[in-house]
Amino acid sequence: DGGITQSPKYLFRKEGQNVTLSCEQNLNHDAMYWYRQDPGQGLRLIYYSQIVNDFQKGDIAEGYSVSREKKESFPLTVTSAQKNPTAFYLCASSFRDNLRNEQFFGPGTRLTVL
Amino acid sequence: QKEVEQDPGPLSVPEGAIVSLNCTYSNSAFQYFMWYRQYSRKGPELLMYTYSSGNKEDGRFTAQVDKSSKYISLFIRDSQPSDSATYLCAMGGYTGGFKTIFGAGTRLFVKA
Repeated sequence: DGGITQSPKYLFRKEGQNVTLSCEQNLNHDAMYWYRQDPGQGLRLIYYSQIVNDFQKGDIAEGYSVSREKKESFPLTVTSAQKNPTAFYLCASSFRDNLRNEQFFGPGTRLTVL
Repeated sequence: QKEVEQDPGPLSVPEGAIVSLNCTYSNSAFQYFMWYRQYSRKGPELLMYTYSSGNKEDGRFTAQVDKSSKYISLFIRDSQPSDSATYLCAMGGYTGGFKTIFGAGTRLFVKA
């Protein structure tokens, strides 16, 4: 089955720790995205990548880092510098340079800082 | 002013009702428009995509785009309790780079 997987589904972190969220896709999409979703605020773009070994900051990149070493994978690290990391994190992917830019989402990771 | 405005609801309707969900936007560069359905604690699922003004129908769902008014709608006919979810509008285009903006979502409850 083609799709996007995210792991873990739930993640708990102590303050001061870095954690890495996994995102894998087998849709042959070139572009991948990370969003953060908070109640009542919709989706906010953290980072995106159009091709392997290249990525750009979104609207709320501070305190986050990413890598794109493989087309299929786009892991997100939430660092200790992120002031309020408790949120629902969504990974998405799409074809690149496609005016339609239909993004398909994974199931999400809920991160809670204790 | 936000680029996309969407009434957060909640919107509560009886089973079988026609539901109308709406978004307004300010950026005339937006070229494509989407509706996503998101169940609680799940990722959004793409429901409808439209590229031009007018209507697009898929089963019980109809997406409508009015570019002149910068207004998009999603209609759900014969609503079912399983339609209870949050509905996100999204739109995008080339604005110095390809960009997609999401609305905050409208929570819909369909009562049996």
